[in-house]
Amino acid sequence: AQSVTQLDSQVPVFEEAPVELRCNYSSSVSVYLFWYVQYPNQGLQLLLKYLSGSTLVKGINGFEAEFNKSQTSFHLRKPSVHISDTAEYFCVLGLSSGSARQLTFGSGTQLTVLP
Amino acid sequence: GAVVSQHPSWVICKSGTSVKIECRSLDFQATTMFWYRQFPKQSLMLMATSNEGSKATYEQGVEKDKFLINHASLTLSTLTVTSAHPEDSSFYICSARIAGGRWGGELFFGEGSRLTVL
Repeated sequence: AQSVTQLDSQVPVFEEAPVELRCNYSSSVSVYLFWYVQYPNQGLQLLLKYLSGSTLVKGINGFEAEFNKSQTSFHLRKPSVHISDTAEYFCVLGLSSGSARQLTFGSGTQLTVLP
Repeated sequence: GAVVSQHPSWVICKSGTSVKIECRSLDFQATTMFWYRQFPKQSLMLMATSNEGSKATYEQGVEKDKFLINHASLTLSTLTVTSAHPEDSSFYICSARIAGGRWGGELFFGEGSRLTVL
């Protein structure tokens, strides 16, 4: 069975500081990985995804993530955060041999950007 | 980009009534849509997979008679919470992927619908 662990439930950070949201996964087969962002009372918006190829993935709003197969990680980073980045972030795993029904959601990380 | 729209965004109802939530793909066709439930400060829990023209597939522990799903067209799926009770209060989110798209493509999520049952 596969699993996703988001190591930090809450991450407070000051505006313009760098941030890293950590995500580790477990799977015995090839995976796809996604980061989604959820603003209060809204649905989820895709930030970036790793399907194959380059392990460094760049997404929207200045975010990037690196797929590390040996460490089974897919950490999300941003060099300088803004107040507007305050939101819940979900790391999501899918099996390359599976279906969209088989997505595994992490528990989420609340990023709070402080002025 | 592809847009998924949910309606209503907020709904308050009395206990015992039924509530219908619509999920529409606005600019693409979706043969499959997914319904999730999210409790406060928690992750998403898949409730069911909605298949156009056929019966929905429910996840274990989800009451199919309580949560009726209809996927009547390639752009519309509905979730009806029947005889709603306060414990059904939650944030419901739908998602869809483009029909014919290979798996690995992203899911597009609706804005969510917050149900409060009094």
